[in-house]
Amino acid sequence: NAGVTQTPKFQVLKTGQSMTLQCAQDMNHNSMYWYRQDPGMGLRLIYYSASEGTTDKGEVPNGYNVSRLNKREFSLRLESAAPSQTSVYFCASSAYMGDSSYNEQFFGPGTRLTVL
Amino acid sequence: ELKVEQNPLFLSMQEGKNYTIYCNYSTTSDRLYWYRQDPGKSLESLFVLLSNGAVKQEGRLMASLDTKARLSTLHITAAVHDLSATYFCAVDAYGNKLVFGAGTILRVKS
Repeated sequence: NAGVTQTPKFQVLKTGQSMTLQCAQDMNHNSMYWYRQDPGMGLRLIYYSASEGTTDKGEVPNGYNVSRLNKREFSLRLESAAPSQTSVYFCASSAYMGDSSYNEQFFGPGTRLTVL
Repeated sequence: ELKVEQNPLFLSMQEGKNYTIYCNYSTTSDRLYWYRQDPGKSLESLFVLLSNGAVKQEGRLMASLDTKARLSTLHITAAVHDLSATYFCAVDAYGNKLVFGAGTILRVKS
């Protein structure tokens, strides 16, 4: 099993350009997440999807959109990139299904994005 | 709003020494997770703590959870260089979401 995969691994954009980060998992997980990691700030949740067809905002959703294409895939789109979006982006998934289950999340390798 | 604080944020220690990383959080939760991140790499799940008094051990690392004090600890015994990494705690307080601490950068010197 590949676990959680992300593409691309690295990307450089100019201010105003758009791009989509792709994420896929092969663990049959219901929940998927997008985080950004900035130095000294831990991971901050951008958007998450509790199941196919649903998405919700996290802590820092401004400037991003997401699509839960099917159970396996969850993409993150930057419509008009800004230098403040320079970060490392991680996708994660978990088997979380509700209050009776726990939310151990498994992470992809990350995408290192620079916006000039 | 749930806040998760780790301390110290940076820890430089000698091989063979013991030390503890602390994770405090601000609202009630009985589910806490520890992750390890090597430089330039992704996060790897270390421990899942699901109840008050839970204790988990793996090699030289031991994690515990005190939900009444809203505190988890990650204890390192007889540190070795291979333990050098960044360690994150994450608290599950809103069902489907985790809130992460800022991370503790651990450097073990020989």
